[in-house]
Amino acid sequence: DAKTTQPTSMDCAEGRAANLPCNHSTISGNEYVYWYRQIHSQGPQYIIHGLKNNETNEMASLIITEDRKSSTLILPHATLRDTAVYYCIVSSGNTPLVFGKGTRLSVIA
Amino acid sequence: DGGITQSPKYLFRKEGQNVTLSCEQNLNHDAMYWYRQDPGQGLRLIYYSQIVNDFQKGDIAEGYSVSREKKESFPLTVTSAQKNPTAFYLCASSFGTQDTRGQYFGPGTRLTVT
Repeated sequence: DAKTTQPTSMDCAEGRAANLPCNHSTISGNEYVYWYRQIHSQGPQYIIHGLKNNETNEMASLIITEDRKSSTLILPHATLRDTAVYYCIVSSGNTPLVFGKGTRLSVIA
Repeated sequence: DGGITQSPKYLFRKEGQNVTLSCEQNLNHDAMYWYRQDPGQGLRLIYYSQIVNDFQKGDIAEGYSVSREKKESFPLTVTSAQKNPTAFYLCASSFGTQDTRGQYFGPGTRLTVT
């Protein structure tokens, strides 16, 4: 079973920041937090990952709480093309990723 | 999709026939994976391979077989023993064990068996 908990769905207005939460209260010290997204009928796309520090790349920012029991993926200016299912996954990196059902993000014009 | 090719994109077969799905990568990744996705569900692991000529069963291996004769290729055969083969099949690859850069996915093959 997936070791993360995410809301089933969220809406976001186009141009606003989308903040997607994830709970991973049983995360181990050597496990990373990964975020992927899947646009309908396509393969999942890697977004970002982190261990304990906050991370930012051209797609998103990842904020991990100090106790590492939860994290938030931030899409700073959501567009209609960001409508997708977003998966939060914890993994040490040396085993296959385990996907839950993710959060279905709908960006609304 | 970044260097992982799955073909074909859509595949139709009659019940009782075996079918092989192709997955090729040119990323020089050591590890490769096969997942299955049903409508509205997450991905479930079928098989994975961390090195050539070796592979391990995932959570739902029954009715499937794989081979890993080359680093670049990891074909999946859906046999007639698979009770519900109609699904979206996704192949992925990664740099392998002890590497934390995550997995990269192909575009998927949608298999319909009637």
